[in-house]
Amino acid sequence: QSVLTQPPSVSGAPGQRVTISCTGSRSNIGAHYDVNWYQQLPGAAPKLLIYGNSNRPSGVPDRFSGSKSGPSASLAITGLQAEDEAVYYCQSFDGNLIGSVFGGGTKLTVL
Amino acid sequence: QLQLQESGPGLVKTSETLSLTCNVSGDSISSRSYYWGWIRQPPGKGLEWIGHIYSSGTTFYSPSLKSRVAISVDAPKNQLSVRLSSVSAADTAVYYCAAFRGYMIDYWGQGTLVTVSS
Repeated sequence: QSVLTQPPSVSGAPGQRVTISCTGSRSNIGAHYDVNWYQQLPGAAPKLLIYGNSNRPSGVPDRFSGSKSGPSASLAITGLQAEDEAVYYCQSFDGNLIGSVFGGGTKLTVL
Repeated sequence: QLQLQESGPGLVKTSETLSLTCNVSGDSISSRSYYWGWIRQPPGKGLEWIGHIYSSGTTFYSPSLKSRVAISVDAPKNQLSVRLSSVSAADTAVYYCAAFRGYMIDYWGQGTLVTVSS
């Protein structure tokens, strides 16, 4: 059971928009710790996609965006492309654990 | 640009100790720009934080692993290590070393699969 809650799967057709939610609690996201998002392609290590709730590292397309409100965060992907098919994880810091917590991951299928 | 590379046995026997090393290149492991940690991923499952270590040597571990895990740094070799004792099949996973900046994981190693079997 992951500390942060994500939907197991989402899907969308090429060109469409999808969102992935991530819900935490008062000791992590709700405690104002930043949320980060990672993309994991099959057989690869996760890659930082969004940091500090809504910032994109250099090289990440602006089709990816993040937001946070209260104890929850969301990742939005617009203009879906086949190459976006991956598992997406949210991550934050937990003040009780003094460590990182992850969501269970959301598998994105591009139809 | 940091590069992290894990190494260690791919097979560990039940009840023995798992030991992995991560070679860091591109910056000093003593740098205060990052702190260092380990994350694992059982086959077909999600990510689990194991623990991390600051440049001061202070460590924090997942409560579920705290009694069995130790993370250390070898500064002259620019290496990060993890030891997990009394392993069982539940410890079978891909183990990633990671460079943390703030609350995010800025760099990941490629990961190394460790299988626990009798």
